[in-house]
Amino acid sequence: AQSVTQPDIHITVSEGASLELRCNYSYGATPYLFWYVQSPGQGLQLLLKYFSGDTLVQGIKGFEAEFKRSQSSFNLRKPSVHWSDAAEYFCAVGSPITQGGSEKLVFGKGTKLTVNP
Amino acid sequence: DSGVTQTPKHLITATGQRVTLRCSPRSGDLSVYWYQQSLDQGLQFLIQYYNGEERAKGNILERFSAQQFPDLHSELNLSSLELGDSALYFCASSVDIYYEQYFGPGTRLTVT
Repeated sequence: AQSVTQPDIHITVSEGASLELRCNYSYGATPYLFWYVQSPGQGLQLLLKYFSGDTLVQGIKGFEAEFKRSQSSFNLRKPSVHWSDAAEYFCAVGSPITQGGSEKLVFGKGTKLTVNP
Repeated sequence: DSGVTQTPKHLITATGQRVTLRCSPRSGDLSVYWYQQSLDQGLQFLIQYYNGEERAKGNILERFSAQQFPDLHSELNLSSLELGDSALYFCASSVDIYYEQYFGPGTRLTVT
């Protein structure tokens, strides 16, 4: 079964510093990968997605992520963090039905980001 | 704003009761998904509907059921509620099966 691991439960960075949130997945075939962000009391907003092609994907709000098949990773990065980026970030893997998987997203447990002024 | 709407925003009810959560997908989206978010279980997939038909089931309890109507809105019915059912329930929609999912703001259910 697919699984997603986000090793860091909580990360604190200073405003203006760079950010990298880690995500490792377990999936037998080519995965569909996503990063979502959830602000307190809000729903999940899609930051970016990887389906195929270029392994470096750009998203909204200045975020990017790199798919590394050899490491089964899809880490999220931002060169300079803003105070408004404080939120919880979820990595997810989807399974295309053509490969026999179910049609759902499997989420990691999330990484809570705190931004210090 | 994702374009997915959910009502109500909050729901407080007693154990043993039944509630209905409603979701309207983004215009043009045929697929609707329901997820439960709790502190201990995280985000868990419950069920998916595509153009009115059930397509996939996840960790959905037998006390829970869902449906998608001809106008593509969906309802999640939770019955014989227990304290442990207290959670955030999200609806998501996608234009088709293999596309990214857009989430609604959620319904926070509190069972007392």
